[in-house]
Amino acid sequence: DAGVTQSPTHLIKTRGQQVTLRCSPKSGHDTVSWYQQALGQGPQFIFQYYEEEERQRGNFPDRFSGHQFPNYSSELNVNALLLGDSALYLCASSPRLVLTYEQYFGPGTRLTVT
Amino acid sequence: GIQVEQSPPDLILQEGANSTLRCNFSDSVNNLQWFHQNPWGQLINLFYIPSGTKQNGRLSATTVATERYSLLYISSSQTTDSGVYFCAVYTGQGNTPLVFGKGTRLSVIA
Repeated sequence: DAGVTQSPTHLIKTRGQQVTLRCSPKSGHDTVSWYQQALGQGPQFIFQYYEEEERQRGNFPDRFSGHQFPNYSSELNVNALLLGDSALYLCASSPRLVLTYEQYFGPGTRLTVT
Repeated sequence: GIQVEQSPPDLILQEGANSTLRCNFSDSVNNLQWFHQNPWGQLINLFYIPSGTKQNGRLSATTVATERYSLLYISSSQTTDSGVYFCAVYTGQGNTPLVFGKGTRLSVIA
């Protein structure tokens, strides 16, 4: 049973550039959530996708956008990168239409903005 | 929004010792998860525990939702238990976002 996968593992970008991160959910899951984890902090919710639409959004600017594909995989896009966007980006998947909706996390993408 | 507070922030243990990590939350929650984040950043699911007590090997967890806290017990700690332990809560009905605490950093020394 494949777990949540993310790519790339690490990424270095320059301020002002754009970046795309990718996530494949755990088998049987249809909901994908993205979180940002700054150094020394707990993860913070960015947004959640199911049925290919953004359903919930945290307190993040419009520079953060996403997409979900028919196979439930998802992308996180960040435009006009700032130094403060340097963080570990975590993807979580869960099943939506079941009684228990435990979230499972991928290994993360570590983004460094210089 | 809901506040999730974890204590202690840091903990150093000798191998073989026991510990209790605490998670307090400021409002009612529908569910709660405990995670262990390893040194590579991977969040590993420990418990999905809306109430009551669960055990998994040397780890156990108790959530008392009516009193707004959860406890994670680690017995006979091992060096591989080192890392950061996070408590995260679901605030709404259904598949809502997780709200995390700041974590407890555990170091187990041989």
